[in-house]
Amino acid sequence: DTEVTQTPKHLVMGMTNKKSLKCEQHMGHRAMYWYKQKAKKPPELMFVYSYEKLSINESVPSRFSPECPNSSLLNLHLHALQPEDSALYLCASSLTGSGNTIYFGEGSWLTVV
Amino acid sequence: LAKTTQPISMDSYEGQEVNITCSHNNIATNDYITWYQQFPSQGPRFIIQGYKTKVTNEVASLFIPADRKSSTLSLPRVSLSDTAVYYCLVVAPTGGFKTIFGAGTRLFVKA
Repeated sequence: DTEVTQTPKHLVMGMTNKKSLKCEQHMGHRAMYWYKQKAKKPPELMFVYSYEKLSINESVPSRFSPECPNSSLLNLHLHALQPEDSALYLCASSLTGSGNTIYFGEGSWLTVV
Repeated sequence: LAKTTQPISMDSYEGQEVNITCSHNNIATNDYITWYQQFPSQGPRFIIQGYKTKVTNEVASLFIPADRKSSTLSLPRVSLSDTAVYYCLVVAPTGGFKTIFGAGTRLFVKA
């Protein structure tokens, strides 16, 4: 089972709302990632967790707050977003971070109104 | 991480073989090359990975010359459903988790 599950698939939120994106994998992977993808652009790395610890933050604004409650779950908490944050948010995981194959979820489409 | 350069787009017809070449002039000795496929509104899907010479799996082949400064993804007998964006990535085996996507190649397969 090489599956990364993301919920919700679609989310519309206002600029004052607080919402969360969720990601789950049961492959025993210990590295988990958040990427952001705008239309017709490649995915851009946002955060990486390794063994439930934040390993990389690619200078992401604090209105995005990641959380890794356990090795199978990854959340992205959203607060006070801007319309330009509307994008496809991709979760991914890999066995470890050292060049192992990264498996992606189907993404969560976020629209900020 | 080595920067990758791919053609922005390619057209093909059903049943043809498609070769997409990626340049990675600054590839490090231990880096290897990975290709992903992405359909609209879906996450990228791993296709193939290699270090040198040739790698083949059930969906594609990857050719890497001796100098490793480029690689070619070969898709045999494409169909309409192979219309997608194909990303070439250079991945370091150690030193972190950064997987940086290049611009990708939009392949359009016509009937």
